[in-house]
Amino acid sequence: DAGITQSPRHKVTETGTPVTLRCHQTENHRYMYWYRQDPGHGLRLIHYSYGVKDTDKGEVSDGYSVSRSKTEDFLLTLESATSSQTSVYFCAISGQGRETQYFGPGTRLLVL
Amino acid sequence: AQSVTQLDSQVPVFEEAPVELRCNYSSSVSVYLFWYVQYPNQGLQLLLKYLSGSTLVKGINGFEAEFNKSQTSFHLRKPSVHISDTAEYFCAVTFHSGNTPLVFGKGTRLSVIA
Repeated sequence: DAGITQSPRHKVTETGTPVTLRCHQTENHRYMYWYRQDPGHGLRLIHYSYGVKDTDKGEVSDGYSVSRSKTEDFLLTLESATSSQTSVYFCAISGQGRETQYFGPGTRLLVL
Repeated sequence: AQSVTQLDSQVPVFEEAPVELRCNYSSSVSVYLFWYVQYPNQGLQLLLKYLSGSTLVKGINGFEAEFNKSQTSFHLRKPSVHISDTAEYFCAVTFHSGNTPLVFGKGTRLSVIA
């Protein structure tokens, strides 16, 4: 298995509070991604990174920001959480060729 | 815009029967194609992938898929399913040109019935 961890694995928070999810990799891969998974929608890309401090928006980026100050860490921040951001969040990584993405175990977020 | 369509949201099948999960994509450029499996309360695991070469691709757990460029399809098959194959299956595509991440289908829930 690719060395990807996500923290926390579960979180319950209240509307309006900031939340940060962390993805950590030990593979030294260049590309990192954040997806959310919702019933009936599959996985949708939030943001991705193609290098340290290089990021770009995905399909559902509104309400989310990211940062990548080190190769191994990719942070996803919900500045002011809303109930519509209740979801399962997955981090993924891929190498220079970008062909194959490997996924972390996911973070379940509930916004009350 | 590129897209992936998984034609069946749910597929029930009896144990030891064959199964086909359908996937079609739209793209005007060359593609890489993937199938991922997600077991309950787990992350996604790569099942198989097509990058180039033979259009018939074999993956883990006895699954295989065939890339059909003319029909823009990448259907997943298994000749005899087991209870343990019960899971959600996602088809995904990325493109040879540009810096494009994966685009996923909405998933097919395979339920194997004893």
